[in-house]
Amino acid sequence: KNEVEQSPQNLTAQEGEFITINCSYSVGISALHWLQQHPGGGIVSLFMLSSGKKKHGRLIATINIQEKHSSLHITASHPRDSAVYICAVRGGGADGLTFGKGTHLIIQP
Amino acid sequence: GAVVSQHPSRVICKSGTSVKIECRSLDFQATTMFWYRQFPKQSLMLMATSNEGSKATYEQGVEKDKFLINHASLTLSTLTVASAHPEDSSFYICSASPLTTGAVTDTQYFGPGTRLTVL
Repeated sequence: KNEVEQSPQNLTAQEGEFITINCSYSVGISALHWLQQHPGGGIVSLFMLSSGKKKHGRLIATINIQEKHSSLHITASHPRDSAVYICAVRGGGADGLTFGKGTHLIIQP
Repeated sequence: GAVVSQHPSRVICKSGTSVKIECRSLDFQATTMFWYRQFPKQSLMLMATSNEGSKATYEQGVEKDKFLINHASLTLSTLTVASAHPEDSSFYICSASPLTTGAVTDTQYFGPGTRLTVL
């Protein structure tokens, strides 16, 4: 069973700061997801990665398959980015996800 | 983009009641849907994998007789919590992977979740 570790668990930053959230996992995967969960519970899929780097707006996600590590970056952070960010990994194509415990991000104005 | 709906979004029931939660993929077909559970301040945990036309696969520790899963079509999976008890109170969320060209992709789309409170 894959162990997924995220850091930090909690992060408070000022608006405009560059944010980095890290994720490491223990067993090889077919894909890694970065998810955003808002207070109501709903989950939005931000990225799905199997290699390299992806960018969407102010969000950047990278993955290093050899090191079993991924990072999520937020540039020019804004209070509306405040949420829980969750890293999740998938073993095979038909497997369910294994989740990290999430990073609770608060961006203060 | 692809949309997954869940119904109901919130349910409050008495202990001993059975509760059915529906998960629908609205604009794509999914042979596989996943059911997850999240207790307060904890991470999401996979409960079971729902396969269209066959029995669900349950994760270790999840009682199949208590959490009944039916994946009757390529767009609908249901989770029934049988004889719910207060310890079953949780946030239940489903996800689905689109079926494209006959292969299961890695993309997953999440439903908005169902918050179950058992009194």
